[in-house]
Amino acid sequence: AQRVTQPEKLLSVFKGAPVELKCNYSYSGSPELFWYVQYSRQRLQLLLRHISRESIKGFTADLNKGETSFHLKKPFAQEEDSAMYYCALGGSGNTPLVFGKGTRLSVIA
Amino acid sequence: DAMVIQNPRYQVTQFGKPVTLSCSQTLNHNVMYWYQQKSSQAPKLLFHYYDKDFNNEADTPDNFQSRRPNTSFCFLDIRSPGLGDAAMYLCATSTIRGGGNEQFFGPGTRLTVL
Repeated sequence: AQRVTQPEKLLSVFKGAPVELKCNYSYSGSPELFWYVQYSRQRLQLLLRHISRESIKGFTADLNKGETSFHLKKPFAQEEDSAMYYCALGGSGNTPLVFGKGTRLSVIA
Repeated sequence: DAMVIQNPRYQVTQFGKPVTLSCSQTLNHNVMYWYQQKSSQAPKLLFHYYDKDFNNEADTPDNFQSRRPNTSFCFLDIRSPGLGDAAMYLCATSTIRGGGNEQFFGPGTRLTVL
């Protein structure tokens, strides 16, 4: 079965500090991993996906199949990064997306 | 802008009184999804349509039904809402089926059951 674990419900960091939002997954097949973000009063939207291997808004995430992790990182947090972040796992074929419970990031000025 | 629209944004209903939530999209995507999200929990997939092909998740209660009369619109019907059905309901779309594809979300409808 597919499962996504985000161990932290809330993460508070100071502006300019590094950020790491943890995500671990369980899936027997070849995973597709995503980070979705929801800013205050806005809809859920895609932040980045592992196959793109790109940096969005300074965030990166590397898929580590050995550790079954897809942690989201940013070297210097900004106040506008404060939001709810969801890690999501997609499988092959028609397997639907499974979301983690989310981590609320609060960046303190 | 092409987008996913949900109406109403807030819906209040009484225990046992049927309610319908609406979703429309201008993206012309083949797939439309309905998720239920309760406070501090992950969005939970209820069902999805691939074109007119309806796919129900195994643990979605029979109380929840859906209709997709055309590509642009999809409805969520809750036949007899219980207090436990109070939640945010999210509609999403994607171009093709499968969790490997980006989903575009609407703003959600917050349902309150009195």
